[in-house]
Amino acid sequence: KAGVTQTPRYLIKTRGQQVTLSCSPISGHRSVSWYQQTPGQGLQFLFEYFSETQRNKGNFPGRFSGRQFSNSRSEMNVSTLELGDSALYLCASSPGTFYEQYFGPGTRLTVT
Amino acid sequence: DAKTTQPNSMESNEEEPVHLPCNHSTISGTDYIHWYRQLPSQGPEYVIHGLTSNVNNRMASLAIAEDRKSSTLILHRATLRDAAVYYCILRTNYGGSQGNLIFGKGTKLSVKP
Repeated sequence: KAGVTQTPRYLIKTRGQQVTLSCSPISGHRSVSWYQQTPGQGLQFLFEYFSETQRNKGNFPGRFSGRQFSNSRSEMNVSTLELGDSALYLCASSPGTFYEQYFGPGTRLTVT
Repeated sequence: DAKTTQPNSMESNEEEPVHLPCNHSTISGTDYIHWYRQLPSQGPEYVIHGLTSNVNNRMASLAIAEDRKSSTLILHRATLRDAAVYYCILRTNYGGSQGNLIFGKGTKLSVKP
């Protein structure tokens, strides 16, 4: 069974731009969660989607948003990028909210 | 905020057992204890989880104290591939944060050949 895939793997953007990251979950998984990882803050939960509905949201500003499609693929969007948004963005899928999560390799976003 | 306390780092020799401790004194009755690990340059990987009883799987064992205020992840024979950051996480199944994985700083495990 194929694992979680994330595209693109690396991205460089300029401050003020917006970015969209994509995540394809493991086949059959309906829950997708997003995390931000930085050296200073560690791994932080962004949000979780289940069957196209956002179920949980972490403590991030409204510039961070996401959505999930009917095939369970998910995208997250960050608008008006700031230097502090430079991070590794990880996506995780699971069969449901309380099951173990399977992480993708992440998208490394650099904001200059 | 993370509700667990782990040592920042630990060192082990290859092929020896490793006991990774975790304190969670404020654990509630509905909190599950989860362990994930993150190998260098990879996303986190699920290791094991439990509620009250000790648990075993092909990767590791989880020993949970009787009062549930602490737990220990046991790697029976460490290999070089086990060098990673290990995260102990309490996962609640009720309330606003139900199901969320709240990662702390974790324990960085080094394995010496």
